[in-house]
Amino acid sequence: EDKVVQSPLSLVVHEGDTVTLNCSYEVTNFRSLLWYKQEKKAPTFLFMLTSSGIEKKSGRLSSILDKKELFSILNITATQTGDSAIYLCAVPEPFGNEKLTFGTGTRLTIIP
Amino acid sequence: DGGITQSPKYLFRKEGQNVTLSCEQNLNHDAMYWYRQDPGQGLRLIYYSQIVNDFQKGDIAEGYSVSREKKESFPLTVTSAQKNPTAFYLCASTPLGESSLDTQYFGPGTRLTVL
Repeated sequence: EDKVVQSPLSLVVHEGDTVTLNCSYEVTNFRSLLWYKQEKKAPTFLFMLTSSGIEKKSGRLSSILDKKELFSILNITATQTGDSAIYLCAVPEPFGNEKLTFGTGTRLTIIP
Repeated sequence: DGGITQSPKYLFRKEGQNVTLSCEQNLNHDAMYWYRQDPGQGLRLIYYSQIVNDFQKGDIAEGYSVSREKKESFPLTVTSAQKNPTAFYLCASTPLGESSLDTQYFGPGTRLTVL
């Protein structure tokens, strides 16, 4: 059974700080890893990572995958209050049916 | 506008009653999914469907039922057999295929409270 573990479960930092969120996984046949941001309602897609060592970047957010050590990190620099959210990591089943296994999420709170 | 709609946004029910949550999409997506989210937890898959008139159990299907009579609709019924139904329910859809994982769209969710 696929397993996704995120840490920390909760993180509180001051505006302007840099944070690193972790996601480790165990899957039988790795295809990709996805990061989502969930504010009040629907998760919104951030990144999909398939190749090891290649950083994906979008503004102040970046993510990288290490397929050897089976983990990914999501970095947010110069945090803003709008970054407060739950960040979810997920991996799909290996057989192409797009069924995702999610981690527990990291609740990030940015204090002004 | 294309998207996924879920209704109602908030739902209150008495214990022992069945309740049906609506999920509709006009994205022409093949696959649809129902997830449950509890406080401090990630999303857990309840049921999913890849084509009309076919669906599979997810990780926590007990106490739930679904139907997929039309491509655009995937209603979820929370039955009285579900022991802890109070939760936030999210519906999602995606086209099928290797490139579709980054296009899994989520609805706005329904918060169900059982009194």
